[in-house]
Amino acid sequence: AQSVTQPDIHITVSEGASLELRCNYSYGATPYLFWYVQSPGQGLQLLLKYFSGDTLVQGIKGFEAEFKRSQSSFNLRKPSVHWSDAAEYFCAVGLLTTSGTYKYIFGTGTRLKVLA
Amino acid sequence: ETGVTQTPRHLVMGMTNKKSLKCEQHLGHNAMYWYKQSAKKPLELMFVYNFKEQTENNSVPSRFSPECPNSSHLFLHLHTLQPEDSALYLCASSQEGAYEQYFGPGTRLTVT
Repeated sequence: AQSVTQPDIHITVSEGASLELRCNYSYGATPYLFWYVQSPGQGLQLLLKYFSGDTLVQGIKGFEAEFKRSQSSFNLRKPSVHWSDAAEYFCAVGLLTTSGTYKYIFGTGTRLKVLA
Repeated sequence: ETGVTQTPRHLVMGMTNKKSLKCEQHLGHNAMYWYKQSAKKPLELMFVYNFKEQTENNSVPSRFSPECPNSSHLFLHLHTLQPEDSALYLCASSQEGAYEQYFGPGTRLTVT
């Protein structure tokens, strides 16, 4: 069965430090992969997505992610974290349904805390 | 209004009440979704509508009843809920065949 694992429930980094959030998936075919961010009291905002092609994808707010097929991973990175990046981050796999829509399988999320 | 809106943002209801959640998308999309977000659990897909037709029901209890009168509006009717139904309910929309879903801010539901 398809699944997404985010092994880190909480991560704390200092402002200005680099960040890497881990995501591993289980899916038989080439996956469509996403990272979303959720600030307190808000819905989910798309950070970036991977469908095919270049395995290093750039997103909004200075985030990037790298797809590694051999490791079934899609880790999210940022070279220098800002205090406003404190939020919860979700990795997801998109699956095409027979009706032509996509449904997501989400990970459990990683909550990021940023120290001043 | 832009994007996906949800009302109310917060709702407290007793187990015998009947209430409805509303979602409206202003993006011209054809597909709409209901998700449940509980603490320490992954987001759970509840229902999918494509061109007003329900295409997915993820074994959701019948005390949750969705309605999609048109491609822009989605409702979730609630009745005789249980305390474990307390959660953040998120609505999303997408263009048919498109990968990206756009989420609303959610309704925080508390069942007492």
